[in-house]
Amino acid sequence: GENVEQHPSTLSVQEGDSAVIKCTYSDSASNYFPWYKQELGKGPQLIIDIRSNVGEKKDQRIAVTLNKTAKHFSLHITETQPEDSAVYFCAATKQGAQKLVFGQGTRLTINP
Amino acid sequence: GAGVSQSPSNKVTEKGKDVELRCDPISGHTALYWYRQSLGQGLEFLIYFQGNSAPDKSGLPSDRFSAERTGGSVSTLTIQRTQQEDSAVYLCASSSSNSGNTIYFGEGSWLTVV
Repeated sequence: GENVEQHPSTLSVQEGDSAVIKCTYSDSASNYFPWYKQELGKGPQLIIDIRSNVGEKKDQRIAVTLNKTAKHFSLHITETQPEDSAVYFCAATKQGAQKLVFGQGTRLTINP
Repeated sequence: GAGVSQSPSNKVTEKGKDVELRCDPISGHTALYWYRQSLGQGLEFLIYFQGNSAPDKSGLPSDRFSAERTGGSVSTLTIQRTQQEDSAVYLCASSSSNSGNTIYFGEGSWLTVV
């Protein structure tokens, strides 16, 4: 089955700097890669996703890149703000309503 | 509804008691998932329902855990004879091919077994 590894487990950056979180997956058949943000006491919220037919996707300060050959994908947050502080999870699946397999999460702290 | 709704939001129960957690998915979503998140940990898959197909129960940790989905909508996760290690947040999610199979989560049910 699919296995997703996520690094780093914790990340601390200065406000205004960029943050990068990386994930690798094992199943070459996986074709859908979402990222979720989880704030304390809340459920995970989808922030961006990418499908295997594209290499990069951007939404304002957030971008995701996908390297299918190497089986890894990354989340990039630019111009970080205090409200970006949260736990971020990557996930992978074969689309078609299959279960998501999650990475272990990254606790991101933005220092003012 | 507008989002995935879960109840109760918080539940404290005594060891050995049974608990039921309810999930009301987004209207029209055919797929429904249950995940478990222990304190400070990642999301562990429990069970997945898709339409009228047999559920994928491969993530249920023991036979004390069961789930059903009535009428293709509301789902109930039941934990029998609860144990302290069952303490966690139980997250429900739903998706639909009509919305690109994007999976949306509820706020979770926080279960504490004392």
